[in-house]
Amino acid sequence: DGGITQSPKYLFRKEGQNVTLSCEQNLNHDAMYWYRQDPGQGLRLIYYSQIVNDFQKGDIAEGYSVSREKKESFPLTVTSAQKNPTAFYLCASSDRVGDYEQYFGPGTRLTVT
Amino acid sequence: AQKITQTQPGMFVQEKEAVTLDCTYDTSDPSYGLFWYKQPSSGEMIFLIYQGSYDQQNATEGRYSLNFQKARKSANLVISASQLGDSAMYFCAMVSSSGGSYIPTFGRGTSLIVHP
Repeated sequence: DGGITQSPKYLFRKEGQNVTLSCEQNLNHDAMYWYRQDPGQGLRLIYYSQIVNDFQKGDIAEGYSVSREKKESFPLTVTSAQKNPTAFYLCASSDRVGDYEQYFGPGTRLTVT
Repeated sequence: AQKITQTQPGMFVQEKEAVTLDCTYDTSDPSYGLFWYKQPSSGEMIFLIYQGSYDQQNATEGRYSLNFQKARKSANLVISASQLGDSAMYFCAMVSSSGGSYIPTFGRGTSLIVHP
């Protein structure tokens, strides 16, 4: 079955540590996205990538980094510079940037204490 | 800049009744798309329906329809014959070429609870 996988579902880290969230898709999509969701809030875009080896900052990129070395993979690193990293992180993909139908993964809930 | 507003933090509906979830938007771009996602408690976002700014007719997908009123800048989601499985968060979103990108902007969401 085609889709997007994110692992792990739940992640716990101590403050000051970097942590990398995994996102893999087998839909052969060019575009991939990372969103952050806080309670009572909508989705906010962190980074997006239109093609391999290219990515752009979204609205809240500070304290995050990404890479796109393979079409299928778009990992997100939450660095120690991110002041409030505890949140629900969603990865998505679409055929191209701008396609209204994005396919989402199940999300990773990160808790930093 | 584009903006999506969902003013209803929570809605309740009786099973089998219809419910309307409100969404208003703001953009200066004449070409844009509006869509709705459903997010169950599991967290995954599920695409429901799409409406293009130039579409003449309101979009429908099964029990979902989008009540598009361009002059009022509203794109309300109507769910007919509600089912218990419709209980979830619902997000309205918009994509346009504002700023040269076509990245969607999401509203804050509306929590829908369907009562038996």
